Amino acid sequence: EPEVTQTPSHQVTQMGQEVILRCVPISNHLYFYWYRQILGQKVEFLVSFYNNEISEKSEIFDDQFSVERPDGSNFTLKIRSTKLEDSAMYFCASSGQGSEGYTFGSGTRLTVV
Amino acid sequence: GENVEQHPSTLSVQEGDSAVIKCTYSDSASNYFPWYKQELGKRPQLIIDIRSNVGEKKDQRIAVTLNKTAKHFSLHITETQPEDSAVYFCAPPTDSWGKLQFGAGTQVVVTP
Repeated sequence: EPEVTQTPSHQVTQMGQEVILRCVPISNHLYFYWYRQILGQKVEFLVSFYNNEISEKSEIFDDQFSVERPDGSNFTLKIRSTKLEDSAMYFCASSGQGSEGYTFGSGTRLTVV
Repeated sequence: GENVEQHPSTLSVQEGDSAVIKCTYSDSASNYFPWYKQELGKRPQLIIDIRSNVGEKKDQRIAVTLNKTAKHFSLHITETQPEDSAVYFCAPPTDSWGKLQFGAGTQVVVTP
């Protein structure tokens, strides 16, 4: 069964540093997403991406965040200057039909110290 | 506006009993209603979904029922087993294409 792959599985970074979280969506999917989950809380939408541009972003996704699809297979989330409150599990997802047929990656646990 | 409410927040059941979780949504345009299961430290996984033209869907011990008039849909797990212990989220889509809005989650604990 096709999978969404995320690397690294765990990233520890110092406050103020830049991090890039990487994702390889399912190859024939067209819609890509990033969600985050603070420990013990619900999954929150960050951004959706389609046709090489952002479709929608949440209020969490401020100027410190950016996404890229640099080479047709990877989908990255960059946080420019990390804050303590950015510590969370970040899930990448892809789908072939918008909200249906989502597949989530196994997540990257980001710890900002 | 977007508003998803999920109840209860925790649910303890004896093995073999049934569990029911309810999700209430506000977006009238929603026509697809998924339920996700998340085990500790793992990704959310789709376990069952339903479209608005259907009132009920069943997959072995799991079923989802939809009441579009009342704007709620429920997850039913029968003959619960210890491996059903997890957090369950409803995640109806919003009026924005592709975006899921997750409920607060229900921690289900099945005791042997």
